[in-house]
Amino acid sequence: AAGVIQSPRHLIKEKRETATLKCYPIPRHDTVYWYQQGPGQDPQFLISFYEKMQSDKGSIPDRFSAQQFSDYHSELNMSSLELGDSALYFCASSRGGLGGFAEKLFFGSGTQLSVL
Amino acid sequence: AQKITQTQPGMFVQEKEAVTLDCTYDTSDQSYGLFWYKQPSSGEMIFLIYQGSYDEQNATEGRYSLNFQKARKSANLVISASQLGDSAMYFCAMREGRDSNYQLIWGAGTKLIIKP
Repeated sequence: AAGVIQSPRHLIKEKRETATLKCYPIPRHDTVYWYQQGPGQDPQFLISFYEKMQSDKGSIPDRFSAQQFSDYHSELNMSSLELGDSALYFCASSRGGLGGFAEKLFFGSGTQLSVL
Repeated sequence: AQKITQTQPGMFVQEKEAVTLDCTYDTSDQSYGLFWYKQPSSGEMIFLIYQGSYDEQNATEGRYSLNFQKARKSANLVISASQLGDSAMYFCAMREGRDSNYQLIWGAGTKLIIKP
């Protein structure tokens, strides 16, 4: 079965550079979530989209922005990168939008971002 | 107050033994879902099992089962006949009702190591 695809798998950037992470949800999933996971931490919710519109916002810095496109893929744009942005970034998808607490979130393999 | 509590930061278990990972939760919602995810050292976040608050039977998925005790607000993960490949970080998570926008609330995780 198709899973959530994230690219790139690894990314190395310098301070103050920009980065773009991409996420392709499972087919027919209309909701995408972005999470940030620091070493030894649980995932922290950044932002979510349902039907190409932002549905919820978590602890996403103002330097970051995201969007969901017409084909439901999503991109997380990160500017003015800081050392503290080094983390594993997950994208997850589910179907049915805010279809209830029972909708399962399926995660991609993540993008490991290292800021030097 | 912590909404999801995983009291075992780490566990060592002998291969082929059963293992129980503890998870207690705190919610005033009647409708909620409980999830377990596995995160191996490679980093991906793998969905294991789901239990809905209205489900009367404990969820099972292959070697995984969820010991759901609603009155005690616990949702322990049981892995039968553990294997070396079960060594990973395990996260318990909860989705509450509409007011919380169905966001996943995570526990701190339990690091499980299976000994040969």
